[in-house]
Formats: sequence, structure tokens, C-alpha cells
Amino acid sequence: QVQLVQSGAEVTKPGASVKLSCKASGYTFISRYVHWVRQAPGQGLEWMGIINPTDGGTSYAQKFRGRVTVTRGTSTSTVYMELRSLRSEDTAVYYCARDLSGSGSEGVAFDIWGQGTMVTVSS
Amino acid sequence: QSALTQPASVSGSPGQSITISCTGTSSDIGSSNLVSWYQQHPGKAPKLMIYEGTKRPSGVSNHFSGSKSGNTASLTISGLQADDEAHYYCCSLAGRSTWVFGGGTKLTVL
Repeated sequence: QVQLVQSGAEVTKPGASVKLSCKASGYTFISRYVHWVRQAPGQGLEWMGIINPTDGGTSYAQKFRGRVTVTRGTSTSTVYMELRSLRSEDTAVYYCARDLSGSGSEGVAFDIWGQGTMVTVSS
Repeated sequence: QSALTQPASVSGSPGQSITISCTGTSSDIGSSNLVSWYQQHPGKAPKLMIYEGTKRPSGVSNHFSGSKSGNTASLTISGLQADDEAHYYCCSLAGRSTWVFGGGTKLTVL
């Protein structure tokens, strides 16, 4: 079945970096965009960025530009999200989500979600 | 990019209908048909309920429906059921390949 499986929970310190993974299976990896969305404890959803697995093209929310990088490995059908200069406000569950669409559009909606990765930033 | 505006909470009794609004601007909802809605139960990942403003993915009940007028999108749930109790989030394309979510609405089924 179509699924996105994310890496495990992370505990890290302020100022450090974290790199999360999201492994896709059950569909043609390069055919659909993948997004990253985060959710702080008790808060709403926040869109972070998108990658086109076909060519690696990316777009990021202005809030995260310069601090986030999304990449992909086509041979492993895996998308990665690195967030740098972490602060306590980055403590959140991070989700990857597949788009209904792929190359040739700007995306449509997020139809398949990973299980989420909890990142805790604490000194 | 500012978050879309949703009411913090709505409630209704089983069998009733409720509508959740999602207000944006001419730069997001007002200029895009790419509005989607997500349901999230506690401790779970969000689930796509409506996309392109009015379309339901396969497997989503037809008691969920979406609409849009100007800068405001709406999600209507008719015939409320206990399992509909959850948080609901709207989302819209907000410029070239960037997206924005609403703050979320907690639906309580009385």
C-alpha cells in the first residue's frame, strides 16, 4: 500500500541541526511532490516546504528560508528535511506528506501523510 | 505569509449540520481553487477530506462538502456523527509553490 514512513524521534540542543527522513513506498516516487509540515504541541499545522522528486526543485515558506533544506534520494525513494540553528520553538511533530500532483503543477493537496517525527529541542 | 483565519471552535448535536469558515486574502484563497481541508484526531496524522475546494477523495463520506466564495472557503458537515469530533484545518496555495494553513477549528459533537 502507499505509505510514507518517517525516521524516529529526536532530542537535540539549541543551536544544533536535525535531519529527518521520509521513505516512500507503494507508488512511483518521482511522480508526486512531497511536502513537510510541522505541528508544535497543542498548536496548528504549519507548512514548511515542498520538493519535486523528479528534479529536486524546492520551495520553502519564507519563515524557514535559509534555515531549512529539503533533498531527496531517488535510488532509495527517500525525502530528507534538515533544519538548522534549532531553538526551543522548533519543538514539534514534523510530518512529510505526499501531494496529489507532480511535475507540471504547483501541487494540489496532501493526500498521504507520514506518521510524524517528534523533535524536541531542549538544553 | 499569514495563516488563514478559522473559528477556534464550533459545536453541534448528532444529526445536525455545521459549517466551518476559512478566510484568507486575494493572494491565497481569493486567487486559487487549490483549497483543501484536513481532519485530525488527537495523536493522529491529518487526513485529507476535501481538495480543489469541492472534491472528495475516494473513501471520504459524502456528508463532507466544500465551497468557496471570494476570499472565504467553507467546510460543511451534514448529519453530524460522534466520530466527526476532531480538529479541522483549511489550506490554500498562497503564491508560487507556497502553501498556508488555517489556525484550525475544534469541532465538538454534543
